[in-house]
Amino acid sequence: NAGVTQTPKFRILKIGQSMTLQCTQDMNHNYMYWYRQDPGMGLKLIYYSVGAGITDKGEVPNGYNVSRSTTEDFPLRLELAAPSQTSVYFCASSYSVGGSYEQYFGPGTRLTVT
Amino acid sequence: GIQVEQSPPDLILQEGANSTLRCNFSDSVNNLQWFHQNPWGQLINLFYIPSGTKQNGRLSATTVATERYSLLYISSSQTTDSGVYFCAAFSWRFGAGTRLTVKP
Repeated sequence: NAGVTQTPKFRILKIGQSMTLQCTQDMNHNYMYWYRQDPGMGLKLIYYSVGAGITDKGEVPNGYNVSRSTTEDFPLRLELAAPSQTSVYFCASSYSVGGSYEQYFGPGTRLTVT
Repeated sequence: GIQVEQSPPDLILQEGANSTLRCNFSDSVNNLQWFHQNPWGQLINLFYIPSGTKQNGRLSATTVATERYSLLYISSSQTTDSGVYFCAAFSWRFGAGTRLTVKP
């Protein structure tokens, strides 16, 4: 199994541009998450999904959108990129069994907005 | 809201030393996970431990849910243990991390 994969690994955007960060998992997990990590900080939850067709906001959703049309894929859309969105973005997935939500993370996407 | 606090924020050890990292959380948890973020930024699962004690080689973790804390023990530290250690409660609420530097 590849686990959780993310593309691209790096990206530089100009202010006002848009892009989609891709995330795919092959573990048949029902839960998926998007986090951002600013330099020297912990991770903050942007959006999460409990299954195909169901998404919800996390702590810092402004400026982002998500969709979940399949179990495997959970893309994150940035509209009108701003310098404040410069960060490392991590996707994760987990399988809720008996109240367990052990998360597995992808390698991250480093995004710079200039 | 849910608060997760980690201590100490920074820790410098000589190779071979032992250490204890602490994670306090503000409410009862049913999910508690420890991660190691290596110097390349990769997040590695260490333990999923909502309660009790687990061990994996030189690392072990204990969560006392009723007292709202979890501890990560690293014994006989190695330079490859360097990085940032995070705990996460309720799946998604991360602490600010403990930055560990192990010197040869």
